[in-house]
Amino acid sequence: DAMVIQNPRYQVTQFGKPVTLSCSQTLNHNVMYWYQQKSSQAPKLLFHYYDKDFNNEADTPDNFQSRRPNTSFCFLDIRSPGLGDAAMYLCATSRGETERQETQYFGPGTRLLVL
Amino acid sequence: GDSVTQMEGPVTLSEEAFLTINCTYTATGYPSLFWYVQYPGEGLQLLLKATKADDKGSNKGFEATYRKETTSFHLEKGSVQVSDSAVYFCALSPSRGFQKLVFGTGTRLLVSP
Repeated sequence: DAMVIQNPRYQVTQFGKPVTLSCSQTLNHNVMYWYQQKSSQAPKLLFHYYDKDFNNEADTPDNFQSRRPNTSFCFLDIRSPGLGDAAMYLCATSRGETERQETQYFGPGTRLLVL
Repeated sequence: GDSVTQMEGPVTLSEEAFLTINCTYTATGYPSLFWYVQYPGEGLQLLLKATKADDKGSNKGFEATYRKETTSFHLEKGSVQVSDSAVYFCALSPSRGFQKLVFGTGTRLLVSP
């Protein structure tokens, strides 16, 4: 019973061609997160939504945008992908009812390849 | 800023061996600490957590104790199985502000029969 679903699992795009990654959740959680994980590195938080409130990390490049049209769906848009954007992109959710102690639930990730 | 340091892998063990994966952290205040596991082709799953000093998290035979005096949260298991082969991530959530996970770089565990 998938709870956090990411599509597609693998995405190939061309240098500079906009690409959108998708995440959906069946948990009805308030918070959705996007992480970038490059090869052999730690996942790095790009931004998160608390309900409709968007929160960008200070060092997230402007090339990365996100949309959350409703509770269940969240999209990651990369406006002009560069070779350095090739990575695994992880979506996660959490209830958002308490700080610090709650669990984040992760999807399987989308691996992006930029040619 | 906050950071997590894990031992480099891969860690290669035979089935039924004892496992330790070291994790130390740097943070202000009193962060919460987590271990996540990533099996091949899957997303991250929470393995265990501890929210205050001297707490012990445990799950599926894995244990880790929050040691504030040594700023450590080492993962241990008494007898590993082939099915434990995965990448293990140590992470912290800062004590202030909204929950934000800071991850270590991960340690790959390979268990052979």
